[in-house]
Amino acid sequence: LAKTTQPISMDSYEGQEVNITCSHNNIATNDYITWYQQFPSQGPRFIIQGYKTKVTNEVASLFIPADRKSSTLSLPRVSLSDTAVYYCLVALSNDYKLSFGAGTTVTVRA
Amino acid sequence: NAGVTQTPKFRVLKTGQSMTLLCAQDMNHEYMYWYRQDPGMGLRLIHYSVGEGTTAKGEVPDGYNVSRLKKQNFLLGLESAAPSQTSVYFCASSLPRTSGRIRTRNEQFFGPGTRLTVL
Repeated sequence: LAKTTQPISMDSYEGQEVNITCSHNNIATNDYITWYQQFPSQGPRFIIQGYKTKVTNEVASLFIPADRKSSTLSLPRVSLSDTAVYYCLVALSNDYKLSFGAGTTVTVRA
Repeated sequence: NAGVTQTPKFRVLKTGQSMTLLCAQDMNHEYMYWYRQDPGMGLRLIHYSVGEGTTAKGEVPDGYNVSRLKKQNFLLGLESAAPSQTSVYFCASSLPRTSGRIRTRNEQFFGPGTRLTVL
């Protein structure tokens, strides 16, 4: 599984956009980039997944440059309830095992 | 549709005691997983199963055993609990990466967790 590097923590305020960048220099051709969110005392929850360019859903956007060595999760107009740990994972398209690093703790303040 | 459920939610054991954690899913998922999460760390895969009757070791399997006798259930056993096994345990399930000719997204559905303390 490709190793990922992401910031340990980020602070933001309500209504701002939060961008979390993840580095995955050793990403392989068949790897997908997946982001999970974990609230305190809960299991992680899938947010978004992408292979290249841009993916957007009702929760977030995922930007992946052409070289795919990094990706950026964008959370638009965050609220207090977006305070959580966000994990960036890289997994083979045909591999079901996930490797969670320490993640990025995002704290949203009023 | 309850999703993934875990039993019990909390448990305190003494060193050397044994116990079994139960995970159940009602989504007809083929794959199931057991993770542990220690304070300030991400999840680490203990064991996983790609189908009824099959199990495999993950990243940190020592001290644990698992069984998948029914598709919907995945049991995690601790034969002789140690303080190092104090952790929060999460179960998850997912579809295979491809279902027929359709590639599914890499989404695992997690249970609420079991907080285990070994004294």
